[in-house]
Amino acid sequence: NAGVMQNPRHLVRRRGQEARLRCSPMKGHSHVYWYRQLPEEGLKFMVYLQKENIIDESGMPKERFSAEFPKEGPSILRIQQVVRGDSAAYFCASSREVTGELFFGEGSRLTVL
Amino acid sequence: GQQVMQIPQYQHVQEGEDFTTYCNSSTTLSNIQWYKQRPGGHPVFLIQLVKSGEVKKQKRLTFQFGEAKKNSSLHITATQTTDVGTYFCAGEVAGANSKLTFGKGITLSVRP
Repeated sequence: NAGVMQNPRHLVRRRGQEARLRCSPMKGHSHVYWYRQLPEEGLKFMVYLQKENIIDESGMPKERFSAEFPKEGPSILRIQQVVRGDSAAYFCASSREVTGELFFGEGSRLTVL
Repeated sequence: GQQVMQIPQYQHVQEGEDFTTYCNSSTTLSNIQWYKQRPGGHPVFLIQLVKSGEVKKQKRLTFQFGEAKKNSSLHITATQTTDVGTYFCAGEVAGANSKLTFGKGITLSVRP
């Protein structure tokens, strides 16, 4: 049973470009979460999704950031017109149950030049 | 909003020493989870505590949930170099759409 798969593992973008991060949850998991981590910082919640629904996006910036979890395919975190401050590690996690343990992917490390 | 605090952010111990760290929430939690992240790695689930006053052990690690369900502790007996990493606690508030709020973590280094 494969774990949570994230790609790309590393992404370099220039200011103003778009970054698209993908996450395939573990098999049988319908709850997906995106977290952002800055160096020596904790994990900051961004968004919680179930299939085709955004449940909680209270941690996501109102502009430039969007997330989806379509019926088919991976969850996608999209950052438009990236700025240097978007440089961070973005972790996706999935869970089987609403209040279960989170299984994290290996993260996507975004660098904005 | 809800805050989960872990202080200090760094601790250095000599191999073989015991280590205890605490996690405090500004609100009552429905459950608390602990994760470990090795340098350059991703967070890995360690334990979940649900009941008031609950104590769980995993080999040399002991986790406790406070009676008021607003704080938790992690105790490591006789630390080893393999214990190196950042330990995060994460609290969930009942009815908060199952959103886990993570503390900033404590980074443990162990001198051999």
